[in-house]
Amino acid sequence: GEDVEQSLFLSVREGDSSVINCTYTDSSSTYLYWYKQEPGAGLQLLTYIFSNMDMKQDQRLTVLLNKKDKHLSLRIADTQTGDSAIYFCAARTSSSNTGKLIFGQGTTLQVKP
Amino acid sequence: DAGITQSPRHKVTETGTPVTLRCHQTENHRYMYWYRQDPGHGLRLIHYSYGVKDTDKGEVSDGYSVSRSKTEDFLLTLESATSSQTSVYFCAIRGAGDTGELFFGEGSRLTVL
Repeated sequence: GEDVEQSLFLSVREGDSSVINCTYTDSSSTYLYWYKQEPGAGLQLLTYIFSNMDMKQDQRLTVLLNKKDKHLSLRIADTQTGDSAIYFCAARTSSSNTGKLIFGQGTTLQVKP
Repeated sequence: DAGITQSPRHKVTETGTPVTLRCHQTENHRYMYWYRQDPGHGLRLIHYSYGVKDTDKGEVSDGYSVSRSKTEDFLLTLESATSSQTSVYFCAIRGAGDTGELFFGEGSRLTVL
């Protein structure tokens, strides 16, 4: 089945760019998602990308998709202390007509002032 | 706001006791999911539902059962709680569009002593 992997921790300085990486195993993944989780809260959808796209930009967020390497990244420009959170990558495969998403382990982003 | 309410938000119980977590949605969505979140594992799917009385297992379903007698309510039951079921449980619903994103509740923190 699908497996999604992320590094567990990233620390950056305020104002720098953050890049969070994710790899997945199922080449039939149709949609890939990025979620943000703040302490004590549920997951909020940040953005998503369809498998026929290479890049998607939304304000400070840029998502890059390399289908050949099955690699997804989330870049946050001008990172702020409010961006400190856990970021989850998730994949939906074409075989999943029930809408199940497979999540990575989550990357904790620490933003230092 | 996706109109998802989880209850209880916090519960402490003892090993061997039954526990039921409730997920209530106000938007008549067909698909509902229960995930558990544990450090280093991200979110793992326990069970999901694709309609009233239609449910299926996820990747970590042992020790859990679910019921969906009404569109708006999806119940997760631990028949005899164990310490390994100490976790944060999230309910999610699938959005109505083709992009298939999930919207999450605020979570239920369960501690089994």
